Amino acid sequence: GAVVSQHPSWVICKSGTSVKIECRSLDFQATTMFWYRQFPKQSLMLMATSNEGSKATYEQGVEKDKFLINHASLTLSTLTVTSAHPEDSSFYICSARSIGGGYEQYFGPGTRLTVT
Amino acid sequence: QKEVEQNSGPLSVPEGAIASLNCTYSDRGSQSFFWYRQYSGKSPELIMSIYSNGDKEDGRFTAQLNKASQYVSLLIRDSQPSDSATYLCAATEGGSGNTGKLIFGQGTTLQVKP
Repeated sequence: GAVVSQHPSWVICKSGTSVKIECRSLDFQATTMFWYRQFPKQSLMLMATSNEGSKATYEQGVEKDKFLINHASLTLSTLTVTSAHPEDSSFYICSARSIGGGYEQYFGPGTRLTVT
Repeated sequence: QKEVEQNSGPLSVPEGAIASLNCTYSDRGSQSFFWYRQYSGKSPELIMSIYSNGDKEDGRFTAQLNKASQYVSLLIRDSQPSDSATYLCAATEGGSGNTGKLIFGQGTTLQVKP
């Protein structure tokens, strides 16, 4: 149980274009979803927290107009990287917390974004 | 600043030995604690959660929590080469309300040598 999927698993895009990443909880409903990014050999960096039907809460230093988060349902959240630049190249990982569960976060497999 | 601190390692143990991973946390409001395993190039995988003082065992893994000392540990018995990975310690951020934000440590790299 507690499976989270992400799509796509990897994407290459040109500088200036936008990329949408989907995160789905497959066998549970998620009260909260989280978006992280991770650079090589570094720990996870929380970008934002989102709850279904409300605006996402962004961490300090994360541009909300650049990283658009939509939490459309209890099983789906999307992250759109707008006007991507090479410095946005990273490993983006979502996680979800189950309704009625504890504070465990279950992670998706991640999306590797390369901006050329 | 609320922090979770781990020794980055690498921690090297021979196959079959006990691996001991430690972390400390600064936020006294943290109530729930987790250990995640992350293989290179992959996302984190939850392996243990612990909420109250003492030990919690699950197979070859034992998590230990001491809230007075703000200390969490993970013991891996009969270590296998497949246990070689980075282990992330995480604590809930006190006062984060219902969102359950986690504070992650930098991770400890474990190497199990055959």
